[in-house]
Amino acid sequence: GAVVSQHPSRVICKSGTSVKIECRSLDFQATTMFWYRQFPKKSLMLMATSNEGSKATYEQGVEKDKFLINHASLTLSTLTVTSAHPEDSSFYICSARIGTGPFYNEQFFGPGTRLTVL
Amino acid sequence: LAKTTQPISMDSYEGQEVNITCSHNNIATNDYITWYQQFPSQGPRFIIQGYKTKVTNEVASLFIPADRKSSTLSLPRVSLSDTAVYYCLVHPGGDGTASKLTFGTGTRLQVTL
Repeated sequence: GAVVSQHPSRVICKSGTSVKIECRSLDFQATTMFWYRQFPKKSLMLMATSNEGSKATYEQGVEKDKFLINHASLTLSTLTVTSAHPEDSSFYICSARIGTGPFYNEQFFGPGTRLTVL
Repeated sequence: LAKTTQPISMDSYEGQEVNITCSHNNIATNDYITWYQQFPSQGPRFIIQGYKTKVTNEVASLFIPADRKSSTLSLPRVSLSDTAVYYCLVHPGGDGTASKLTFGTGTRLQVTL
C-alpha cells in the first residue's frame, strides 16, 4: 500500500530556532500534499495544501512566513517552522494524495512529528 | 464543505458490534463520505469510503441512506485494539484545493473487556 513517512518523529528545540519537518511518499508520486496540526485531544486542523512545483495554499489564520512549505519534488514536501515559540508545540501531520485509484481523494497520512518548543 | 456531526464518544465491550452515525445534512451531489481511524500520536488511517447505499470491506461497513444526509460506520465484533478516534469526512472527489479534507471533532471509541 501507499506509505508516507515523516522525519523526524519528534523534535525538541529552543524558542527562536527553526525546525524543518520532512514528508515523503515512499512508493508513489504525490502531486498534492497536505500539512495538518493537531493539539492534544483536538482534531486535525489543515494548515496548507502543497502542490509540487508551485506555492502552497495556506488556510485562513496560518502565517505563511512562519510555516514555510516547499514541495520541490513529487515525493517530498517540507514544513519549516521558523522562529519557533512554545505555542507552536504540537503534533504535525502530513498527508499525500494519490491522483488515481479506486477511492476518490484518498489521502495517506504520515505518522506525525511531535514538536516541543522549550 | 459539508459540516459533519458525530457523537463525541462511545463505549463498547469487546466482541460487540459498534455503529457510529454521522450527520451531514448539507452534503452536495458530488461529495463522498470517508471514515478515518486515528490512534494516539499517529496519523489517521483510511477505513472506508462510500457515495450511496452500502459499502463493505474487510474491516467495516458503511451504510448510507437514500437521502445521504447521514451515514453509519459499522465495526463488527470490536476488540481492544479498535479503541481510537473515528472521523467522518464529507468531501468532493475533485483535484487540487477541492481535495482538501476538513476533520470534525471525531468520535472517541473506548473498547473494554
